Amino acid sequence: AQSVTQLGSHVSVSEGALVLLRCNYSSSVPPYLFWYVQYPNQGLQLLLKYTTGATLVKGINGFEAEFKKSETSFHLTKPSAHMSDAAEYFCAVSRAHQGAQKLVFGQGTRLTINP
Amino acid sequence: EAGVAQSPRYKIIEKRQSVAFWCNPISGHATLYWYQQILGQGPKLLIQFQNNGVVDDSQLPKDRFSAERLKGVDSTLKIQPAKLEDSAVYLCASSLDSGTSYEQYFGPGTRLTVT
Repeated sequence: AQSVTQLGSHVSVSEGALVLLRCNYSSSVPPYLFWYVQYPNQGLQLLLKYTTGATLVKGINGFEAEFKKSETSFHLTKPSAHMSDAAEYFCAVSRAHQGAQKLVFGQGTRLTINP
Repeated sequence: EAGVAQSPRYKIIEKRQSVAFWCNPISGHATLYWYQQILGQGPKLLIQFQNNGVVDDSQLPKDRFSAERLKGVDSTLKIQPAKLEDSAVYLCASSLDSGTSYEQYFGPGTRLTVT
């Protein structure tokens, strides 16, 4: 069964510093992987996704993630943090269920940006 | 393009009372999802519709939760009777179709507090 583990429920970085949010997955089949962002009192918004092909995926707002099969990881990075990046971030893996997609989410990482 | 609409945004009820949530997906989206997001956790899929048929309701507590999607458009999720552990944000999402390549778009959610 697919599952996702996000290392660190809370990450704090200074404005302009590197952002690194960690995600490890468990999947018995080649996974489809996603990162979502959730701002306060809002729904989730897709940042980026990996399905097949290039293992370095670029998303919105300057974020990118690299799929590493040997490490079963899909860590999210951004070279320089901005105050507006403060939010909750969720990693998710997709699995097929009766021909449809089912997303299994990690528990989330809250990102705080210090001025 | 209008996003996924949900109402109400907030609801406070006492245990053993009933409550209903409403979702209007993006126009033309065949697939509709209801998720439960307990504080400090990632969203958990409760039920998935394809048009007006149920694709996956394996994690829906059917003794108290029910959902319908009449005419394959709007959907309602009902809890009767509510328990304290039902306190959560209920997210509705929709996608053009059910395959992995189709992005899920999330509504702002309904925050339910059961006292």
